[in-house]
Amino acid sequence: GAVVSQHPSWVICKSGTSVKIECRSLDFQATTMFWYRQFPKQSLMLMATSNEGSKATYEQGVEKDKFLINHASLTLSTLTVTSAHPEDSSFYICSARDPATGYNEQFFGPGTRLTVL
Amino acid sequence: GQNIDQPTEMTATEGAIVQINCTYQTSGFNGLFWYQQHAGEAPTFLSYNVLDGLEEKGRFSSFLSRSKGYSYLLLKELQMKDSASYLCAVMDSNYQLIWGAGTKLIIKP
Repeated sequence: GAVVSQHPSWVICKSGTSVKIECRSLDFQATTMFWYRQFPKQSLMLMATSNEGSKATYEQGVEKDKFLINHASLTLSTLTVTSAHPEDSSFYICSARDPATGYNEQFFGPGTRLTVL
Repeated sequence: GQNIDQPTEMTATEGAIVQINCTYQTSGFNGLFWYQQHAGEAPTFLSYNVLDGLEEKGRFSSFLSRSKGYSYLLLKELQMKDSASYLCAVMDSNYQLIWGAGTKLIIKP
């Protein structure tokens, strides 16, 4: 099946700093990628939909100036958490849609655990 | 509004069978997915249903009734490694996944 990687797997940073998370589709071209956030014992929350070559579509309540998304190529999308605060600590997961599967299945990256001190 | 309902937690015994139900109300329907998620890990794909009926894949089966807005995931011959959260997700008319809160399945020896 299609493989999606994320980097880094975990990151600890100081409050006020920015953190960039990369999401790559390794063996397919992903025109659409998704960024999710998951707090402990809760389900996935879609933050934004990232389309290659265009601006991301953010879900209601997600600050686009705080969570910067760039999808510059068909295999790479990045999420930058700007001026991170402790409440941004969460598990961030990206997924990518492989059109070749025929039914729009989303393949998930392994996730990035962010801890803001 | 859009809504996915599934039980919060279920407990079953190793070797037994368990059925996890999911009901949904969404704007449009382009298929229903079941994912497994172990603690601290990303979800992994289990099954996809877009037509009514039962899809069987090894020890796991998934059923869909579109008229009832209902699906279930059936796990047979339970193993300890099946302890995880099981997420039901529906793809709506915009091809966006609407996620349930997940069912935490606890397997006891």
